[in-house]
Amino acid sequence: QKEVEQNSGPLSVPEGAIASLNCTYSDRGSQSFFWYRQYSGKSPELIMSIYSNGDKEDGRFTAQLNKASQYVSLLIRDSQPSDSATYLCAVGRVKLVFGQGTRLTINP
Amino acid sequence: DVKVTQSSRYLVKRTGEKVFLECVQDMDHENMFWYRQDPGLGLRLIYFSYDVKMKEKGDIPEGYSVSREKKERFSLILESASTNQTSMYLCASSLDRRNYGYTFGSGTRLTVV
Repeated sequence: QKEVEQNSGPLSVPEGAIASLNCTYSDRGSQSFFWYRQYSGKSPELIMSIYSNGDKEDGRFTAQLNKASQYVSLLIRDSQPSDSATYLCAVGRVKLVFGQGTRLTINP
Repeated sequence: DVKVTQSSRYLVKRTGEKVFLECVQDMDHENMFWYRQDPGLGLRLIYFSYDVKMKEKGDIPEGYSVSREKKERFSLILESASTNQTSMYLCASSLDRRNYGYTFGSGTRLTVV
């Protein structure tokens, strides 16, 4: 069974701080790595994709991938209350396996 | 933007009923997927399709079937609804085998009573 594990939450971070979300995966053949944000009662929304080792930055978000360690992370800089949501890590090739999600709360 | 539309936001059905959940995408995506999402269990893949009339089982296909007669439409069928199929059902699509990520529909909250 291919697995994706995320750090257990909930995670609480003060406004303006850096939020760090982590994910490990079991399938070494995985080629595509994604972070989705899901607000309560809504469907997941793609916020970051990464395909090769290293860092990828997009605004306040940075995704990091280390295939040797089978590890993906998401950093959110200057956290805002609107970042409060559940963050899902997804890993795979054509079809994705999702982690259970980490609930993040940004405290004003 | 790609739009994935699920026909119903909320559904209430009785045990034993045959239930159809419809999903339509408007950007000529090859791949379509059905997941269910439950608290503590996350998103689990039920069925997926790489092309018209093509389907493959996911991790939890029991009690479900699918139909893809046209490229833009992927239907999930609950042959005989049971209470343990009460869940949030999410449809998603992606462009092709180069996985650039899924676009999800807004979800259908199904309650079986």
